[in-house]
Amino acid sequence: DAGITQSPRHKVTETGTPVTLRCHQTENHRYMYWYRQDPGHGLRLIHYSYGVKDTDKGEVSDGYSVSRSKTEDFLLTLESATSSQTSVYFCAISESGTEAFFGQGTRLTVV
Amino acid sequence: QKEVEQDPGPLSVPEGAIVSLNCTYSNSAFQYFMWYRQYSRKGPELLMYTYSSGNKEDGRFTAQVDKSSKYISLFIRDSQPSDSATYLCAMEYAGNNRKLIWGLGTSLGVNP
Repeated sequence: DAGITQSPRHKVTETGTPVTLRCHQTENHRYMYWYRQDPGHGLRLIHYSYGVKDTDKGEVSDGYSVSRSKTEDFLLTLESATSSQTSVYFCAISESGTEAFFGQGTRLTVV
Repeated sequence: QKEVEQDPGPLSVPEGAIVSLNCTYSNSAFQYFMWYRQYSRKGPELLMYTYSSGNKEDGRFTAQVDKSSKYISLFIRDSQPSDSATYLCAMEYAGNNRKLIWGLGTSLGVNP
């Protein structure tokens, strides 16, 4: 298995609170991605990174921010959590872009 | 209209059947075509990828790309209960900064 770890694996939080999800890789891959997966919507890209401190928005970036200060870590922050952000969040890494390795996912519930 | 269309199913087949999973797309710039498999409560994992047109075979799995019809397929021969999962197609084109465009996924159940 590719060395990619997401934390936490499960989280319940209250509306309006900030939340940070962490993705850690040991593969030294250049590209890192944050997706959310929801029934009827499939995988949707939130933000991605193509290098340390190089990030860009995906298709559903509103309400989310990211940071990548080291190759191995990619943080996703929900600035003020809302119920619409209840979802399963996946981090993925890739060296080529074609073959992406996914983490186990984080189940986030905003109440 | 989404760039990549995939019938979500569910698809239910008996063990041993040949399964055909398909995606259509609208962007002729796509060059890489991938199939991922996702088991329940797990992250997706890459099954196969194809560059441009043609076929690719790996064991019981065959991926086909028909760029003229903007249509890709994944065939599973001698399907097994362990193949029960959601199958997602994904596509990529050069200059898109390695962002994949995903289908919604097709849920497959193989019954013993």
